[in-house]
Amino acid sequence: DAKTTQPNSMESNEEEPVHLPCNHSTISGTDYIHWYRQLPSQGPEYVIHGLTSNVNNRMASLAIAEDRKSSTLILHRATLRDAAVYYCILRDVGGSQGNLIFGKGTKLSVKP
Amino acid sequence: DAGITQSPRHKVTETGTPVTLRCHQTENHRYMYWYRQDPGHGLRLIHYSYGVKDTDKGEVSDGYSVSRSKTEDFLLTLESATSSQTSVYFCAISGGPRGTTAQYFGPGTRLLVL
Repeated sequence: DAKTTQPNSMESNEEEPVHLPCNHSTISGTDYIHWYRQLPSQGPEYVIHGLTSNVNNRMASLAIAEDRKSSTLILHRATLRDAAVYYCILRDVGGSQGNLIFGKGTKLSVKP
Repeated sequence: DAGITQSPRHKVTETGTPVTLRCHQTENHRYMYWYRQDPGHGLRLIHYSYGVKDTDKGEVSDGYSVSRSKTEDFLLTLESATSSQTSVYFCAISGGPRGTTAQYFGPGTRLLVL
């Protein structure tokens, strides 16, 4: 599986936008970019995924570089509840097993 | 929220005791997964199921067995619990294995083996 690289930690102020970067320089043409987050003492939570075009949902936006070697998860207005570890994960469109391979992720702290 | 429950949520047991964890879903998803999460290792796949009675091993399957007799239930059994199996166990479900589908996780079971 192609590898992703994320910063270990980031800080944000409440009610400000947050841009969480992810590098995936070895991504293949059939890899989807997925983002999950894990709040303290909870299970991972699906956030968003995309292939080539930017994607928006009620939780966040996903901006994908034109060459697909990097992507950015955008939280438009951070709240204290957004403090979590965010994982960027690649999943092949033709996967057979389908399990997620979690790296260390980015720990996001949100200051009031 | 996806309808996934895990039971028990917390369990303390002794070494050598059999333990069964249950994952129950109301989403009728075909794929179900068991992961464990330990400090320094992230989430690792134990076993997964791609249909009723269809299961396969994951990365860390030694010491664990699974069963799926109904679409909605996926059981994880530790035949003889060891202290190294102290962990947080997460169940996940998905409509399929492909990159087009998301996975949804349960709340987890904290297991302590003394």
